[in-house]
Amino acid sequence: DQQVKQNSPSLSVQEGRISILNCDYTNSMFDYFLWYKKYPAEGPTFLISISSIKDKNEDGRFTVFLNKSAKHLSLHIVPSQPGDSAVYFCAASGLGSARQLTFGSGTQLTVLP
Amino acid sequence: GAGVSQSPSNKVTEKGKDVELRCDPISGHTALYWYRQRLGQGLEFLIYFQGNSAPDKSGLPSDRFSAERTGESVSTLTIQRTQQEDSAVYLCASNPGAAGNTIYFGEGSWLTVV
Repeated sequence: DQQVKQNSPSLSVQEGRISILNCDYTNSMFDYFLWYKKYPAEGPTFLISISSIKDKNEDGRFTVFLNKSAKHLSLHIVPSQPGDSAVYFCAASGLGSARQLTFGSGTQLTVLP
Repeated sequence: GAGVSQSPSNKVTEKGKDVELRCDPISGHTALYWYRQRLGQGLEFLIYFQGNSAPDKSGLPSDRFSAERTGESVSTLTIQRTQQEDSAVYLCASNPGAAGNTIYFGEGSWLTVV
């Protein structure tokens, strides 16, 4: 049973528009969430994180929103750029339990010029 | 080093052979992880080392898989009697151990079993 789900395997967005990537989780013990970005033939790189005491965290063009009651988080990228085209992984863990980091299956984002 | 280093970057092996994959974590990082990603699938946890504690091997898919780490340095992931379903990119990651859950990945070792 997948504890972290990314139901959209792919997403295409026009350059300059907003990209919204979604992630759902089932384990109520998760209280720390991360997004990673992965280019082909490279390892994932950390993008942004949020802890459960917050409902929003912003870093430049990237904003992560957390809705604990719905067990849902989303990553917003605005404005989207062609260089943002990559696979985005959502990950979750219990705070302080790094070994329990659980990843979603990823969403391939394509930003069209 | 500046980042997590993995070798080889690419490996093609015949079914039934053994392979060894190496990971050199970021200097000073006490935690080390192995993940793999098979084609079309997400990141799959394999094993976790934290300092001198017993490793968490709960993600290893079979007894053909094993990993070792000497102290807080290099780790080796060994796959014995490789099968075609072992074809994947094997990612190593490290973490300072005490400061949060962000982990830093290497570029991966791409394994193809033919």
